Amino acid sequence: AQSVTQLDSQVPVFEEAPVELRCNYSSSVSVYLFWYVQYPNQGLQLLLKYLSGSTLVESINGFEAEFNKSQTSFHLRKPSVHISDTAEYFCAVISSGSARQLTFGSGTQLTVLP
Amino acid sequence: DTGVSQDPRHKITKRGQNVTFRCDPISEHNRLYWYRQTLGQGPEFLTYFQNEAQLEKSRLLSDRFSAERPKGSFSTLEIQRTEQGDSAMYLCASSLGTSGGKGDTQYFGPGTRLTVL
Repeated sequence: AQSVTQLDSQVPVFEEAPVELRCNYSSSVSVYLFWYVQYPNQGLQLLLKYLSGSTLVESINGFEAEFNKSQTSFHLRKPSVHISDTAEYFCAVISSGSARQLTFGSGTQLTVLP
Repeated sequence: DTGVSQDPRHKITKRGQNVTFRCDPISEHNRLYWYRQTLGQGPEFLTYFQNEAQLEKSRLLSDRFSAERPKGSFSTLEIQRTEQGDSAMYLCASSLGTSGGKGDTQYFGPGTRLTVL
């Protein structure tokens, strides 16, 4: 079985400040990791993913995440946030030994304050 | 690329009624997934199709829930005898089915929000 823990349910941060959204996972086999973003009244959009190779992955809008196997973490970071980054962020995993479904964390609401 | 579409976007029904939701995946995707999302939670997996075959349905919440994908294209999710606890966002996703299937990316639709009165 696999599980995902997002340690912070809400993260308020001022505009242009750095932010880190934490994600830890549990799995007995290798995993593939994803971050999705959900804007109000919209579906989930893929932000970035780790499948293999470099443990640091980046998105086109300045977010990055680093896969840390020893700490079973996949924290999401951005050095300078904008008001438009306000959204709910979900971390998700697929285990290599599982069926095809994503297992999601409970989400982190990022609110960027002016 | 028209993306994954879902219909309706909102559904309000009375307890005990049956409801059906439709999902149209990205056209070249052969895998289709249904998830449920309740307030304050991440999406929860319900079921999954590879083409028209339903390969995983043990996570469907009860025997009131059923899904079909008759021609390997669009899919429907039906809830019979709805209960207030069924109120949630129902999300559909599709994926291409490459990379051995293990890590291929799922793309989500906008969801159908169900309210059971």
